[in-house]
Amino acid sequence: TQLLEQSPQFLSIQEGENLTVYCNSSSVFSSLQWYRQEPGEGPVLLVTVVTGGEVKKLKRLTFQFGDARKDSSLHITAAQPGDTGLYLCAGVPRRTGNQFYFGTGTSLTVIP
Amino acid sequence: DAMVIQNPRYQVTQFGKPVTLSCSQTLNHNVMYWYQQKSSQAPKLLFHYYDKDFNNEADTPDNFQSRRPNTSFCFLDIRSPGLGDAAMYLCATSRGGGMTYEQYFGPGTRLTVT
Repeated sequence: TQLLEQSPQFLSIQEGENLTVYCNSSSVFSSLQWYRQEPGEGPVLLVTVVTGGEVKKLKRLTFQFGDARKDSSLHITAAQPGDTGLYLCAGVPRRTGNQFYFGTGTSLTVIP
Repeated sequence: DAMVIQNPRYQVTQFGKPVTLSCSQTLNHNVMYWYQQKSSQAPKLLFHYYDKDFNNEADTPDNFQSRRPNTSFCFLDIRSPGLGDAAMYLCATSRGGGMTYEQYFGPGTRLTVT
């Protein structure tokens, strides 16, 4: 079993649509990061959420950290083809202290 | 710009022929990681160095080894590559310690085994 489960695993939408990606765990995390990885490239850090209930915005992307710090979501408004990629949540569970875990990943395709 | 650099970007090797992938960083981070990533999957941690301390994941095959001669450089050695070792290999760094553990990735090396 994976410590961080993402849903959906695959998502294909039309340009202009909205979408939400979920990252869930039964463990409490000190913080969670979101990365986007384009084909053939390394993951690029988008945001870090640290405080329970925190909401961060990055242009059309809104990230939320759950109140209990066990889950997070990424909402994209008016998706564009440039948003296409693999979205990964990741973090360090409080109980382990230093073991970094990636989520299972969400592959997003935005069709022009 | 501070960054993580991986060379080469594409590497082709023959079955059983040793290969070395390299990573360098200008971020002066304490921790360096090596990940293996197969198509559309999350990266899988192979091992990491915290300064000179080497940490091997329990399920990393013995075929994979690593060296970190100094803060800036880290190498991944695959002693006898098999067809199943064809993948993207990602190097990452982090400052280490503290709450955030943000990792910064290089562009990866795509390994093909023929």
